[in-house]
Amino acid sequence: QSALTQPRSVSASPGQSVTISCTGTSSDVGGYDYVSWNQQHPGKAPKLMIFDVSRRPSGVPDRFSGSKSGNTASLTISGLQAEDEADYYCCSYTGNSWVFGGGTKLTVL
Amino acid sequence: EAQLLESGGGLVQPGGSLRLCCAVSGLTFSPYAMSWVRQAPGKGLEWVSGISGDTKTTSYADSVKGRFTVSRDNSRNTLCLQMNSLRAEDTAIYYCARALYGGHDHWGQGTLVTVSS
Repeated sequence: QSALTQPRSVSASPGQSVTISCTGTSSDVGGYDYVSWNQQHPGKAPKLMIFDVSRRPSGVPDRFSGSKSGNTASLTISGLQAEDEADYYCCSYTGNSWVFGGGTKLTVL
Repeated sequence: EAQLLESGGGLVQPGGSLRLCCAVSGLTFSPYAMSWVRQAPGKGLEWVSGISGDTKTTSYADSVKGRFTVSRDNSRNTLCLQMNSLRAEDTAIYYCARALYGGHDHWGQGTLVTVSS
C-alpha cells in the first residue's frame, strides 16, 4: 500500500495550463480505470474533480481533464484561475482498497 | 443537499479508544461503499478503511489493521469507526466519504482526533 507518486509542487500563471502526474504500479493505477483527482483548499474537505480517470462530476469546469497511460495518470488544468490554487491528490482503486498520492501543491503565480 | 457529518473526535491518551461516526443525509447510502480517510497535520490524505454497501466486506490500511473496526447501519444511514490501541501517529482529521470504485464523490467536513498524553 505505498502512496502514489506525485510532484510536491507545480506552478503556472493565470490563463496557462498545468499538468500534474501520478505514478503508481500495475496493482493500482495501471490495473484499473479507477483513478480520481481531489482538490483541497486549506482548511477545507477534499472535493472530487475527476473520477474514472477522465470523467467530471456535475459542476466541475471542463478546464479540468484527466488521462492515463500505463501506470501514470495525469490531471490537466487549462486556463488557470486564481481559485485553482490548492492541493491536488490522485487516488486509485487497488482491488480491495484505495491508495492516495502524496499530494501536489498548485501555485497560481 | 448531501450532508456527511462526522462526530466523536477528541483528545485521547496513547493506548486509548475512540469511536467515530458519520451521519449521512440527502444522499443514497446503502448501496454504496463508504471509506474513512485521514489527514495528519500538514500531511496528505491517507485511506484508512472501507466497507461495502451490504456490510459484508471490510478492508483496512496496514497501518490500522487489527486496531480499527469499521461498521455501518444502513437503517440509520450511519458509518462508524471503532479505534483501539491508539498511537500518536493516529493523530489526524478523519473524513468519511462515499466510495465509488472510481473515486470518493461526497466527503464530510472531518473530525479531529488527537492522541497525546
